[in-house]
Amino acid sequence: DAEITQSPRHKITETGRQVTLACHQTWNHNNMFWYRQDLGHGLRLIHYSYGVQDTNKGEVSDGYSVSRSNTEDLPLTLESAASSQTSVYFCATLGGTGELFFGEGSRLTVL
Amino acid sequence: KQEVTQIPAALSVPEGENLVLNCSFTDSAIYNLQWFRQDPGKGLTSLLLIQSSQREQTSGRLNASLDKSSGRSTLYIAASQPGDSATYLCAVLGGTSYGKLTFGQGTILTVHP
Repeated sequence: DAEITQSPRHKITETGRQVTLACHQTWNHNNMFWYRQDLGHGLRLIHYSYGVQDTNKGEVSDGYSVSRSNTEDLPLTLESAASSQTSVYFCATLGGTGELFFGEGSRLTVL
Repeated sequence: KQEVTQIPAALSVPEGENLVLNCSFTDSAIYNLQWFRQDPGKGLTSLLLIQSSQREQTSGRLNASLDKSSGRSTLYIAASQPGDSATYLCAVLGGTSYGKLTFGQGTILTVHP
């Protein structure tokens, strides 16, 4: 079955370090998204991509970057991790009917 | 800017009750609306997807309705079970920002035996 996988599922890092969260999908969907989920804020869009070489900023993009070199992968990079970036991160893809599919999430703790 | 509101924020009911979760949105120019379920520590699982041209969708004990003109959707759960306990989120796709979903804050549902 086609799926979307995130790694690592749990990560603890220190302030100032670079961190990359991986997202891999096997549906061949063009549209991919990164969200963060925090208590009191719900799900907020970080970055999104409509296809290879296309990336766009969401509502909370500061401190994050993405790249899209192929259809399957959209890695999320925190250039210099901050404590405010402690969160649960979800990757998602958009199917042809407009249905969104989510990965299991990556829990990041920045100390 | 699209805003999505879910009421109530939390709901506790005894097993067997029928219940309704509400979702409202400010921009009626949407492509679709999706209801999700999220269990603690897990990702989001899609429950129902309603296209903008549809009025309702049903899956098992779940029924979701959509009234675009009034900016409202409801999720009806029949004969609730303890296994239905989870957070339910609605999300709206589109308006002026195709491909981006706007989420509500969710309703935390607890069904006790």
